[in-house]
Amino acid sequence: SQQGEEDPQALSIQEGENATMNCSYKTSINNLQWYRQNSGRGLVHLILIRSNEREKHSGRLRVTLDTSKKSSSLLITASRAADTASYFCATESTDSWGKFQFGAGTQVVVTP
Amino acid sequence: DAMVIQNPRYQVTQFGKPVTLSCSQTLNHNVMYWYQQKSSQAPKLLFHYYDKDFNNEADTPDNFQSRRPNTSFCFLDIRSPGLGDAAMYLCATSRDYSASAYEQYFGPGTRLTVT
Repeated sequence: SQQGEEDPQALSIQEGENATMNCSYKTSINNLQWYRQNSGRGLVHLILIRSNEREKHSGRLRVTLDTSKKSSSLLITASRAADTASYFCATESTDSWGKFQFGAGTQVVVTP
Repeated sequence: DAMVIQNPRYQVTQFGKPVTLSCSQTLNHNVMYWYQQKSSQAPKLLFHYYDKDFNNEADTPDNFQSRRPNTSFCFLDIRSPGLGDAAMYLCATSRDYSASAYEQYFGPGTRLTVT
């Protein structure tokens, strides 16, 4: 079964609004990463958060990690049409170094 | 620019006809991964190499094989493609395993169609 589960499955917002998506996982992790995938393309790494970190920022992205709840959130602030993509979380379990399990993803559509 | 390259981008094969997908990287990364991604689903790890060490996932069908002749290249062989193998195949690399953690760099993918 998938390690990461994401919600919502789909999100439709207007430019300028914030987009928040969540990821839950099942096992102890070394780190959690978020990726973006444009339609029909490969994945692009966005941000990595280690298990001993609680929050990270990168530009308009903010990621939180709550290991007690086994969950993470990705916030995109002031969204743009170019943010339209699918967003995936990926976890590296403590007993599987170097191997990542991906969630099913959240499909985000940002309308101008 | 250093990158991960996959060829071809689109591949059509017939049911049961062997097919090989290729991946090359200029990043000099130790780890190379192959994922299968079906429509609207998560990428699913098939196997990966740490240097020359092959690591197969328990649920990867025997129909899927891989070769890594050198650091730069990795191949995915599907010996007898079935209709259920139609998917996007993604190659990714990572510098290493370690507690420091490294992100993966993905190629653009090869979309496989089985007729």
